[in-house]
Amino acid sequence: EAGVTQFPSHSVIEKGQTVTLRCDPISGHDNLYWYRRVMGKEIKFLLHFVKESKQDESGMPNNRFLAERTGGTYSTLKVQPAELEDSGVYFCASSLKMNTEAFFGQGTRLTVV
Amino acid sequence: GNSVTQMEGPVTLSEEAFLTINCTYTATGYPSLFWYVQYPGEGLQLLLKATKADDKGSNKGFEATYRKETTSFHLEKGSVQVSDSAVYFCALVANYGQNFVFGPGTRLSVLP
Repeated sequence: EAGVTQFPSHSVIEKGQTVTLRCDPISGHDNLYWYRRVMGKEIKFLLHFVKESKQDESGMPNNRFLAERTGGTYSTLKVQPAELEDSGVYFCASSLKMNTEAFFGQGTRLTVV
Repeated sequence: GNSVTQMEGPVTLSEEAFLTINCTYTATGYPSLFWYVQYPGEGLQLLLKATKADDKGSNKGFEATYRKETTSFHLEKGSVQVSDSAVYFCALVANYGQNFVFGPGTRLSVLP
């Protein structure tokens, strides 16, 4: 069974550019989460999808971040325009049910220069 | 709000040494507790978990016991190996919540 996969693994962009991160959850997992770890600090929650609906987006830092999950399958996280402080590792996770073990992807390391 | 505190690293040990990484939490109600590990170049992997007080999670020689009285979930291993070098994250999910709350991570380096 394939795990959670994320693309790209690394991205280096200039300030002001746009970047789109993609996450493919484990098949059948309705719950999909985005997290990020900035500069070696805590891994912080960004948002949670249940199927195609945003269940909780309280962790989204500002309106430069847009997450979608069309059809309740894969998800994208777009940052537009990117700022220096957006650099970090963005993790995606999925789970069968809420409040249970979540399976994480390898993460996308985003560097904004 | 909910939070997780764990010892800052890096922690450097010799092979076969005893490992303890402290983790304490603040949460309302009865959260589930987890240890995740990130090996170099890889994603987060669940190492072990405990869902109620006094439960002990164990995997790959690692253990952690859910101590409600001290709000702790310390990770231990009796004899570490070089292959255990990684970053370890303590985390919780509140029983009414939907997302994980992570600690800052502890980097462990095991020297041969």
